Amino acid sequence: EPEVTQTPSHQVTQMGQEVILRCVPISNHLYFYWYRQILGQKVEFLVSFYNNEISEKSEIFDDQFSVERPDGSNFTLKIRSTKLEDSAMYFCASSIQPPYGYTFGSGTRLTVV
Amino acid sequence: GQQLNQSPQSMFIQEGEDVSMNCTSSSIFNTWLWYKQDPGEGPVLLIALYKAGELTSNGRLTAQFGITRKDSFLNISASIPSDVGIYFCAGQPPSNTGKLIFGQGTTLQVKP
Repeated sequence: EPEVTQTPSHQVTQMGQEVILRCVPISNHLYFYWYRQILGQKVEFLVSFYNNEISEKSEIFDDQFSVERPDGSNFTLKIRSTKLEDSAMYFCASSIQPPYGYTFGSGTRLTVV
Repeated sequence: GQQLNQSPQSMFIQEGEDVSMNCTSSSIFNTWLWYKQDPGEGPVLLIALYKAGELTSNGRLTAQFGITRKDSFLNISASIPSDVGIYFCAGQPPSNTGKLIFGQGTTLQVKP
């Protein structure tokens, strides 16, 4: 079964540092997403990406966040200057065409200290 | 913004019992998805509903897309210990960007 792969599984970073979370979506999928889940809370939408541009972003996705598809297989989320409240699980997802084939990765646990 | 209200927040049941949970909203959705999440893992899709009124089953799971497009329910019949986890509903609003709005989750515990 095709999978969305995320690395690393756990990242610890100092407040103010930049982090890059990496994702390899399913190969024939065209739509890519990032979500986050603060411990014990619901999953929250951050951004959707299609045709090499952001198609929608949430209020959470401020100027500290950016996404990139640097090559044909990777999809990254960058947080420029991390804050304590950025600590959360970050999930990447991809779909063929929403909502079909919508698949989530296992997540990256980001801990900002 | 659009919100989903999912209930109940948690359930503690005996093995073999049936379970029902639901999500409601004041907004309409084009698609309803039901996910299960185990600790430290990503959401795993259980059932997808694409049309208002649709009733779909996946083994012991049954879900329906409400006719008003503002609600959905998930039933689990004859629960087993491995059903333990957090169940989320997610709705796709009528935009085609693929954004999903998630409910707050229902934590299910099953006593053998």
